[in-house]
Amino acid sequence: NAGVTQTPKFQVLKTGQSMTLQCAQDMNHEYMSWYRQDPGMGLRLIHYSVGAGITDQGEVPNGYNVSRSTTEDFPLRLLSAAPSQTSVYFCASSDGQGVTNYGYTFGSGTRLTVV
Amino acid sequence: DQQVKQNSPSLSVQEGRISILNCDYTNSMFDYFLWYKKYPAEGPTFLISISSIKDKNEDGRFTVFLNKSAKHLSLHIVPSQPGDSAVYFCAASVNDYKLSFGAGTTVTVRA
Repeated sequence: NAGVTQTPKFQVLKTGQSMTLQCAQDMNHEYMSWYRQDPGMGLRLIHYSVGAGITDQGEVPNGYNVSRSTTEDFPLRLLSAAPSQTSVYFCASSDGQGVTNYGYTFGSGTRLTVV
Repeated sequence: DQQVKQNSPSLSVQEGRISILNCDYTNSMFDYFLWYKKYPAEGPTFLISISSIKDKNEDGRFTVFLNKSAKHLSLHIVPSQPGDSAVYFCAASVNDYKLSFGAGTTVTVRA
C-alpha cells in the first residue's frame, strides 16, 4: 500500500516555465489537497478537491491550476513559474471521515526551486 | 493573517523529561484541532487530535489539552524520547477537511 505518492521529489525551474507536480493515492480517498510549506509560515492550502470532477481554491491559489479527472490523481500545474513559488509542496488525502479522526495522509513532498 | 499560531519556533528538552508545545488560535469557529509531526524530507504525519467538545485527549505518551475560552491548546509528550526530535505542527479545522496550520515548533530531545 503506497499511500500518497508525489513526483518529482526535486525540481528546478526557470522563471516563466510551466510544469506539473504529480500526486497519486491508492487509498480510494475522496478528499485531496495541495499545500505549500514556507519557512515561518507553516503549511498553506493551495487547492483542494472533494471528489473526481470537483475542485476549489484554498488560501493561496494564484499561479496554480488543478484538475481531478480520477479519484486517484490530483496534479498541480504551475502556469508560469515565479521565484515566489519556490517552496516545498505537499499533497494530502483523506477519506472525508478521517480528517477529524486520523487527519490527512501526506506525501513526502516536492521541493521546487524557481530561478 | 495566520489564524493558528505557534509562537515558539524551537524547544530543547532532555530525554525523559516532559515536552510542552503550545498553540494559539484566533478563529472561534474552529471545532477540531490536530497535531502533526514532521521529520526532514518527509511529509507530516498525524499524531493526535481533539474535538472542541473535549478538553483533553490522551494517546500513549501524547496528551493534547484544549482551553476554548483562552483559544489555546497544548501538546504534552511524556517522557520525551530521542525519536521525538522533529517539527510539530498544530492545525485546526472548521468542521470540514480544510486545515489551517501553525508555523511549527522544532523539538530537539537531548540525550
